[in-house]
Amino acid sequence: DTAVSQTPKYLVTQMGNDKSIKCEQNLGHDTMYWYKQDSKKFLKIMFSYNNKELIINETVPNRFSPKSPDKAHLNLHINSLELGDSAVYFCASSQKSSGGAGYNEQFFGPGTRLTVL
Amino acid sequence: RKEVEQDPGPFNVPEGATVAFNCTYSNSASQSFFWYRQDCRKEPKLLMSVYSSGNEDGRFTAQLNRASQYISLLIRDSKLSDSATYLCVAAGGGSYIPTFGRGTSLIVHP
Repeated sequence: DTAVSQTPKYLVTQMGNDKSIKCEQNLGHDTMYWYKQDSKKFLKIMFSYNNKELIINETVPNRFSPKSPDKAHLNLHINSLELGDSAVYFCASSQKSSGGAGYNEQFFGPGTRLTVL
Repeated sequence: RKEVEQDPGPFNVPEGATVAFNCTYSNSASQSFFWYRQDCRKEPKLLMSVYSSGNEDGRFTAQLNRASQYISLLIRDSKLSDSATYLCVAAGGGSYIPTFGRGTSLIVHP
C-alpha cells in the first residue's frame, strides 16, 4: 500500500536516448510534483500539476515533458538524454490547501536514480 | 528567485548533545514552513510543520521568526539515528512553488 510509487527505481541509459519515469499516488491528493536532486543534493522543483493541469513549470529544458493522464499519475518523459541529466528524480504529491495561500506537506516517492552514460 | 538558505554543515555532535539548525527564507509572503528529514539515498520525509506559535514533538522543537524570516529546528538528546540531512521548506504566499533549502547534514557519533 505504497503512498507514492515511482518506476523504475534505477535507470541506466546512453546519451541521446528517450526515457520515461512513471509516478502514481494513492493518497487522493490533487497536486503532484517532479523534483530533481543533483549530486550536490539540491532538491529543485521541475513541474507541478494540480488536477491534471500544469501550474508550475520551472526553467527546465524542453526535452523534459510531464504528462498527467489523471489526478493519481504524473509521468515524466525525457528526450535526447544528456550527461547532465544524471540525478535522482523524485515524484511527490500533496493536497492543495483549501484556504488562503497556505500549503500542505508533500509526500515523496522513493526516487528514480537516472544515470546517463 | 526566492531562496531558502541553510548551513550545509556537517554538524558533528556526540550522542546526547543538543543541536540547533537555522534556515532563512527570502520570500516574506511565505505562509507555510516545514522541516523534512532525508536519509542517505532515500526520499525526504516530513519531520514537522512549523507553526507561528512554534511546536514541539518529543525531542524536536521548531520555531518561526517572521520578523527576521527564519525558522529553526532544535534537537535535544541527539541519537545516532538522528544522523541525516535536514531540509527546510518555505511555501505559499501567492506562489505554489515550495522552495527547499539545500539541507543541513547532521552526524551524531557515539
